Amino acid sequence: ETGVTQSPTHLIKTRGQQVTLRCSSQSGHNTVSWYQQALGQGPQFIFQYYREEENGRGNFPPRFSGLQFPNYSSELNVNALELDDSALYLCASITGGSGTSGPETYNEQFFGPGTRLTVL
Amino acid sequence: AQSVTQLGSHVSVSEGALVLLRCNYSSSVPPYLFWYVQYPNQGLQLLLKYTSAATLVKGINGFEAEFKKSETSFHLTKPSAHMSDAAEYFCAVSETGSARQLTFGSGTQLTVLP
Repeated sequence: ETGVTQSPTHLIKTRGQQVTLRCSSQSGHNTVSWYQQALGQGPQFIFQYYREEENGRGNFPPRFSGLQFPNYSSELNVNALELDDSALYLCASITGGSGTSGPETYNEQFFGPGTRLTVL
Repeated sequence: AQSVTQLGSHVSVSEGALVLLRCNYSSSVPPYLFWYVQYPNQGLQLLLKYTSAATLVKGINGFEAEFKKSETSFHLTKPSAHMSDAAEYFCAVSETGSARQLTFGSGTQLTVLP
């Protein structure tokens, strides 16, 4: 148990629709990352939020967007769904800040169980 | 840019045998390195991490990994496999000094045979 929850657990949408996935982080974790894990692949970094601002983005188009709220919850929104968006979406909650720090410092990422999105 | 290569998408071992899962990385700066385990229909659980301290890292459930800079490797081992070790294992790399993005390998599915 990491204390990170995600909802819903499963979701089915059709191509062109919009979807919102939710994540509830551990209390005090002010940084959250989102990852997409396609079937048979490793997770790919979508973006990270720190204190409600986007703070790093992977190679995903703008139709992938996010929000982070003061109560340690966050959302991943995907517009104009495509078939290739079918995947497991993971959020990871991180303690402390996400700025640069010494090499001896590492803030562990705690992953939620994921939301399985199927686009038909 | 950083990347991770996991050799062998599927590995099978007998119960009680040595587990060896291979990971090679590429990073332009000194890396942080990680192994995660994923059980069916679950998220990722951290097994162990290398963050520039000791090169031999011990993790949970009897797993350990050795950071070898000259070989750019971070292979995961366990002396004696247990049935409960059957899962998917991911190696990941991150830049030092940051909790930013993890770059994952494509994973290795470990099967433990009775």
